[in-house]
Amino acid sequence: AQSVSQHNHHVILSEAASLELGCNYSYGGTVNLFWYVQYPGQHLQLLLKYFSGDPLVKGIKGFEAEFIKSKFSFNLRKPSVQWSDTAEYFCAVNAYYSGNTPLVFGKGTRLSVIA
Amino acid sequence: NAGVTQTPKFRVLKTGQSMTLLCAQDMNHEYMYWYRQDPGMGLRLIHYSVGEGTTAKGEVPDGYNVSRLKKQNFLLGLESAAPSQTSVYFCASNHRDRGLTDTQYFGPGTRLTVL
Repeated sequence: AQSVSQHNHHVILSEAASLELGCNYSYGGTVNLFWYVQYPGQHLQLLLKYFSGDPLVKGIKGFEAEFIKSKFSFNLRKPSVQWSDTAEYFCAVNAYYSGNTPLVFGKGTRLSVIA
Repeated sequence: NAGVTQTPKFRVLKTGQSMTLLCAQDMNHEYMYWYRQDPGMGLRLIHYSVGEGTTAKGEVPDGYNVSRLKKQNFLLGLESAAPSQTSVYFCASNHRDRGLTDTQYFGPGTRLTVL
């Protein structure tokens, strides 16, 4: 079964700093990759997703992620964070075996942006 | 549209008590899911359903049962609650277009404490 690793448990950044959150997955076959975000007191919502095509995916609120197949990675980036980006970020993956498997989530990375 | 709603929002149970969590969606989605979220563990899939009358086990199904008698509702039952089931429970749903790989829409969560 596939697994997802998010290496940073808690990241603290100042406003305007650049962000990169790591995500690695374990499955070597076809995968679909997602980043979900949970703002304080709100529902989880989709930030961006990758199915195929251009490995650089752009999402909402200025976020992007790059799929690097050789590194089994799907890192999330933002050039300049804002206080409103304070949230918990979850990487998730579907793998394709003889059919698609349910989504597996990483443990999450809590981002705190300070003024 | 209300989207995905969950009832109740909070609940405290004593060990051995039973309860049912209700998830309802008004988006005519075929796929529905129950997750639990624990600190440092991310989201883990308990059970899911790909259509009315069908259910399947996820990663952590033990101690839970589910039913999908109506397309819009997905019930999660705890027959005999244990302290290890203290968690925040999230329901999610998606349309069948891309099946298990589609964007999921999450409810606001139910915070359950088992004493």
